[in-house]
Amino acid sequence: DVKVTQSSRYLVKRTGEKVFLECVQDMDHENMFWYRQDPGLGLRLIYFSYDVKMKEKGDIPEGYSVSREKKERFSLILESASTNQTSMYLCASRSGALSYEQYFGPGTRLTVT
Amino acid sequence: RKEVEQDPGPFNVPEGATVAFNCTYSNSASQSFFWYRQDCRKEPKLLMSVYSSGNEDGRFTAQLNRASQYISLLIRDSKLSDSATYLCVVNINNFNKFYFGSGTKLNVKP
Repeated sequence: DVKVTQSSRYLVKRTGEKVFLECVQDMDHENMFWYRQDPGLGLRLIYFSYDVKMKEKGDIPEGYSVSREKKERFSLILESASTNQTSMYLCASRSGALSYEQYFGPGTRLTVT
Repeated sequence: RKEVEQDPGPFNVPEGATVAFNCTYSNSASQSFFWYRQDCRKEPKLLMSVYSSGNEDGRFTAQLNRASQYISLLIRDSKLSDSATYLCVVNINNFNKFYFGSGTKLNVKP
């Protein structure tokens, strides 16, 4: 079974803090994603990566950056957290060209106060 | 305008009922379509892909109507365990860009 893990289930940070969310997958998938999920808005893509050190912006990249130094690990960074970044953050991975299925981690509920 | 629109529900149905959800998408270049299921406080999981000719997996049937730009999910003989939020997902012309609807909540009651 594919396993995607996220470093924290719940996180509370203060406005202006730098926040790191870590995601690890154990199935050697090339593609990894960061989404945020908000009520009424569904999942929105922040960034994705298709290879080590490669990244592309999704639909809402403002205020976020990412890092992929190893194939199995994809990090989301909030350089200076703001209250409007309070959300559920979901990481996902997908194998190569033959499969569209995304496997999601359990999510991190981030609250910025 | 959102790429993918769903009725948020909730749909409250008794066990054994048949229930159907629709989802509309705005981009005619959309290429691939999926239904994911998300249980309360859990991550989404792929339920089924939606093929042009329609497809069935046990009690679940998915249909695609390209002319009207909607996909549907039909659940027959509903079980209590079907209670969840069903997310419609569309892939346009980028292999890694997926657009999610906000989900339709289903409550199956005894």
